[in-house]
Amino acid sequence: QSVLTQPPSVSGAPGQRVTISCTGTSSNIGAGPDVHWYQQVPGTAPKVLIYGNNYRPSGVPDRFSGSKSATSASLAISGLQAEDEADYYCQSYDTSLSAWVFGGGTKLTVL
Amino acid sequence: QITLKESGPTVVRPTQTLTLTCTFSGFSLGTNGVGVAWIRQPPGKALEWLALIYWDDDKRYSPSLRSRLTITKDTSKNQVVLTLTNMDPVDTATYFCAHRGRFQEFDYWGQGTLVTVSS
Repeated sequence: QSVLTQPPSVSGAPGQRVTISCTGTSSNIGAGPDVHWYQQVPGTAPKVLIYGNNYRPSGVPDRFSGSKSATSASLAISGLQAEDEADYYCQSYDTSLSAWVFGGGTKLTVL
Repeated sequence: QITLKESGPTVVRPTQTLTLTCTFSGFSLGTNGVGVAWIRQPPGKALEWLALIYWDDDKRYSPSLRSRLTITKDTSKNQVVLTLTNMDPVDTATYFCAHRGRFQEFDYWGQGTLVTVSS
């Protein structure tokens, strides 16, 4: 059972916009720590997609955006492409556990 | 450019101790603010943070695994070592080491190493 809650799966057609939610509590996201998002193609290491709630590392397309509000965060992907099909994880820090925490992951299927 | 690579056994017997080494380049664990973490992922499951060590030898552990984990560093060799005692089949996973970024994200990852616990 992951500390952060994500939907197991989302899907969308090419060109569409999808969002992935990440729900936490007052001990983690709600306590102030930033939320980060990773993209993982099966069989490879995760890659940072969004850090500090809404910053994109160099090389990440601006089709990817992040937001945070209260005890939750969201990753939005616009102009969906076949290459976006992957698993997505949110991550933050839990102040009560004194631990870095991840969401359970969301599988994105491009129809 | 920052790179990390994990090494260690691919198979461990139940009750044994797992020792994994993360060898990195492009940064130093002697530098103020730097941290290296271990994260694992059982097959088909989510990522799980295990431990992190800072440049000043401050160590943090997952509460659920604290009693079984030890993380150490060798700054001169650019290595971080993780030990996990009393291995069980549920510990079968790909183990990653990662560099901690300044926003508490993990910005650089190793390729991961699959460890299978089986008799």
